[in-house]
Amino acid sequence: QVQLVQSGAEVKKPGASVRVSCTTSGYTFVSYDIHWVRQAPGQGLEWMGWMNPNSGNTGYAQKFQGRVTMTRDTSISTAYLELSSLTSEDTAVYYCAKIKIPVATVTHFEFWGQGTLVTVSS
Amino acid sequence: DIQMTQSPSSLSASVGDRVTITCQASQDINTYLNWYQQKPGKAPKLLIYDASTLETGVPSRFSGGGSGTVFSLTIASLQPEDIATYYCQQYDNFPTFGPGTKMEIK
Repeated sequence: QVQLVQSGAEVKKPGASVRVSCTTSGYTFVSYDIHWVRQAPGQGLEWMGWMNPNSGNTGYAQKFQGRVTMTRDTSISTAYLELSSLTSEDTAVYYCAKIKIPVATVTHFEFWGQGTLVTVSS
Repeated sequence: DIQMTQSPSSLSASVGDRVTITCQASQDINTYLNWYQQKPGKAPKLLIYDASTLETGVPSRFSGGGSGTVFSLTIASLQPEDIATYYCQQYDNFPTFGPGTKMEIK
């Protein structure tokens, strides 16, 4: 069965960077884009960007341009999200999500990771 | 960016009630609209995609409709396990989510 398993909770100081991993199984990793979505405490869902695991191509929400990087390691079917220059506003649960069909523009988020809480505090 | 709004922001209803949530897009998005259910402490779950197609395994009491700029999610007979927050999401352009509708039981 399809699974997306994320790395554990992180506590970071303002100005630091964080890397979250998303290890997938149960499907062909390189065939489906991975997206990242975050959710601040008590708030709604915010889309951050996407990555094509086959080509490594990425697209980021304008809000995060310049401080977000999405990468992958195809040998271990794992996607990564790195966010730099953290502030308290980045405290949130970060989710990876797999799209339902292998068409990049059709973004139905069919399977999700369990979420990774990133806390930014001095 | 395409902005999404939802109404109401919260909804209190009784078990067995028919409830409807509305989602509005800031521009025409055809039927490029999905609905998700999120329970506390859990990841969102895809309920409906392409505005009206029920995801596999989702109970038939859920239905979706609409096109263009106005969409709806209806629960035909509210059940206790439907207590959650519901989000719409467009994918005509880069994905954006609505602010959510919190469903509660009276």
